Formats: sequence, structure tokens, C-alpha cells
Amino acid sequence: AQSVTQPDIHITVSEGASLELRCNYSYGATPYLFWYVQSPGQGLQLLLKYFSGDTLVQGIKGFEAEFKRSQSSFNLRKPSVHWSDAAEYFCAVALTDSWGKFQFGAGTQVVVTP
Amino acid sequence: DGGITQSPKYLFRKEGQNVTLSCEQNLNHDAMYWYRQDPGQGLRLIYYSQIVNDFQKGDIAEGYSVSREKKESFPLTVTSAQKNPTAFYLCASSIEQGDTQYFGPGTRLTVL
Repeated sequence: AQSVTQPDIHITVSEGASLELRCNYSYGATPYLFWYVQSPGQGLQLLLKYFSGDTLVQGIKGFEAEFKRSQSSFNLRKPSVHWSDAAEYFCAVALTDSWGKFQFGAGTQVVVTP
Repeated sequence: DGGITQSPKYLFRKEGQNVTLSCEQNLNHDAMYWYRQDPGQGLRLIYYSQIVNDFQKGDIAEGYSVSREKKESFPLTVTSAQKNPTAFYLCASSIEQGDTQYFGPGTRLTVL
């Protein structure tokens, strides 16, 4: 069965430190891949997406993600975290052989300390 | 500004009552979606619509109903048959199915 796994439920990082959020998927074909961010009580905002081509993708707010086919991963990174990056982050895949249905991971809560 | 609006932001319902959540978009998107979000879980698909006058059940459609009479609007009704309706509901749209989904701000429904 297709699945999206975000292994870290909760991450605490110091302001200015680097951040990496992990995402692994289980899917026969190469899906379309997305990262979204959600502030408390708000909707989801798209950070970046991968459809094809260069496997290192740049997004908004200084985020980037790297698609690694051999590891079925799409990890999100930021070199220097700001306090405003505290939020919940969701990885999602669009199942390209199933009408493009989105499957979301359970999310990673990021806390930023001074 | 183009975007997706959801109303109301907060909604309270008594057990046994139906309630309708509004979702409107002015992005000229063909596809629209409803998701349910519970604490500690990802988003689960309730219903989706590829085009006007057509919609399909998602993974957790029981106790919910939708309509798509206009391209811009995709209201969700939470019926009394939904056993545990308290949740955060998110509406999304995309140019077409499989493309990037853009989300509204959400409606938090609480059953009293």
C-alpha cells in the first residue's frame, strides 16, 4: 500500500541552527512530491514541489528539498532557522497513477528555541 | 487577490444537527477537495470534485455530503450520521487533479 512517513513527530531546534525534516514514501512509480507548512489554526501553505528534473528544489522562506529516488526520500532542509519557522510541516505525494490523489504524512512539529 | 475562502472559521453544533461548511475559490480551478485534520494525524480526504456537477468519495466519506453546482463553490455538509465530527476541516483546489493543491484557512467544527 502507498504510504508517506515522516519519522519525526516533534523536533526542537535553536534559532540560527540548521533544520532537516525527513520524508519517506512507499510507492511503485515516481510521485509528485510536496512540502507544506501549517501555522496553528491556519491552512496549509506550499513551500516547494518536485515533479521532475533537478532533484534539488528551492522553495519559499529559504527552504530546499532533495529528492533521492534510491532512498524514496524527499527531505526538507533550511540552513538557518528563524523563530517564525515554528510550525507543523507536512510532506505529501500525488499518486500519479491514481488520478493524482494526494497522500499526506502525519506531520512534524517544529519548535524553535532562542 | 485570488484565493480560497472558508466560512465560518469556528462552528459549533449540537449532536443530531446537520451543518454546512462553505468553500469558495476565485482561482478558476477545476478541481476541489475536502480534507479532515485531527491532532497528530495527516490530512484525510473526504470528497473531491474534478469538475462542476461531478464529485467522488474519498477515504472517509461516510457521514458527509457535498455538491458542486458552481465551479467556484464546493460546500460540505456534515450530517448527524458522522459519529465523531469534531475536527479541523480544510478545503483545497487545484487547476486539475494531481496538480498542486492550494488550501483555504480551514473551519474548526466542534460538536457540543
